[in-house]
Amino acid sequence: GQQLNQSPQSMFIQEGEDVSMNCTSSSIFNTWLWYKQDPGEGPVLLIALYKAGELTSNGRLTAQFGITRKDSFLNISASIPSDVGIYFCAGQRSGNTPLVFGKGTRLSVIA
Amino acid sequence: DTGVSQNPRHKITKRGQNVTFRCDPISEHNRLYWYRQTLGQGPEFLTYFQNEAQLEKSRLLSDRFSAERPKGSFSTLEIQRTEQGDSAMYLCASSRQGILRETQYFGPGTRLLVL
Repeated sequence: GQQLNQSPQSMFIQEGEDVSMNCTSSSIFNTWLWYKQDPGEGPVLLIALYKAGELTSNGRLTAQFGITRKDSFLNISASIPSDVGIYFCAGQRSGNTPLVFGKGTRLSVIA
Repeated sequence: DTGVSQNPRHKITKRGQNVTFRCDPISEHNRLYWYRQTLGQGPEFLTYFQNEAQLEKSRLLSDRFSAERPKGSFSTLEIQRTEQGDSAMYLCASSRQGILRETQYFGPGTRLLVL
């Protein structure tokens, strides 16, 4: 099935560093979402974006909905050990359609 | 509000056996989605319900898979004659139709291992 292009695939960073990851698509989405998944658990919603160009923050997390509606990025500032996990972007065409996910960015934080 | 719950959390079965998973959505959420996630991949859509009606199925949902939501509340996903390729995490999500910004919330998943 279709999946979004998410990069990087994995990253190792020092505690306190900022992190940036992005997601691109060949087609337009009207909603972009970012989820975090811990091992053996379901994805947990971090940020939802509903309008092209929208910039939204949730604590140390900031995400933007690309102006073309074909991309989104997520920034994490001042990373801490509990940020470790897999971050997924997901696109949605309209409110009642399934989510299309990227393959995830695996984040490791070195204390 | 206790969130989306799924049972069992883990299931080990032998090839050829049938398995059934249950999902209880967030109360007042009338939409319910099933996704499958294999190792190293993001979740992939299987099927979704609006109330008790199954409105969409993906091509991933072979005829060995069946899902129901008889009273528009909890849902079950059954896999008949399991194959090793069915080993995956099965995720359920729910959302509430009609609000301005509808968002899907996921359960903890059921991890299936077919031996």
